[in-house]
Amino acid sequence: KNEVEQSPQNLTAQEGEFITINCSYSVGISALHWLQQHPGGGIVSLFMLSSGKKKHGRLIATINIQEKHSSLHITASHPRDSAVYICAVRLSGSARQLTFGSGTQLTVLP
Amino acid sequence: NAGVTQTPKFRILKIGQSMTLQCTQDMNHNYMYWYRQDPGMGLKLIYYSVGAGITDKGEVPNGYNVSRSTTEDFPLRLELAAPSQTSVYFCASSPPGFTEAFFGQGTRLTVV
Repeated sequence: KNEVEQSPQNLTAQEGEFITINCSYSVGISALHWLQQHPGGGIVSLFMLSSGKKKHGRLIATINIQEKHSSLHITASHPRDSAVYICAVRLSGSARQLTFGSGTQLTVLP
Repeated sequence: NAGVTQTPKFRILKIGQSMTLQCTQDMNHNYMYWYRQDPGMGLKLIYYSVGAGITDKGEVPNGYNVSRSTTEDFPLRLELAAPSQTSVYFCASSPPGFTEAFFGQGTRLTVV
């Protein structure tokens, strides 16, 4: 079993819909990152969370440390949000490295 | 501000050939990483470095070598390329406190 599990693996939505991507992990962590990988392949860091909630524009990320779970929400989705969203955790006591989920492919249709 | 720059973007190698993937960052980050990304899989750590002159193996180091002679540069060397090394390679760096991860654009490598 992977240490970081994402769901769903694939998600298709209509423009304007509210989207949720989930990430569960089975180990102790010091931080969790949400990343976005565009069709061209580049990876961009969206959020780093160690507790609570963060918001940037239409993106909201939450984390529940006790339940070992994080969610990434996209409000008023747009076709330009189409990308792979990756959850990555920094393990406790191993602050130098990230362990990655396999990603969620999001497609937003106009 | 260029961030993390990787070259080349694409490369086709024949089995047994060697090559170096270049990675440079201009943010004065001490921590640098090389990852590979295979279809349907999460990124796997190949090697990392905590500063100039210091490198260490990650999860999948076999078939690769690295060096870190300066803070800016962290090249990845493939010796005797094998089809199993066909992948997309990403270089990344992090500032102190690991508040963010900066990635290069990736190198798509095919070994035939």
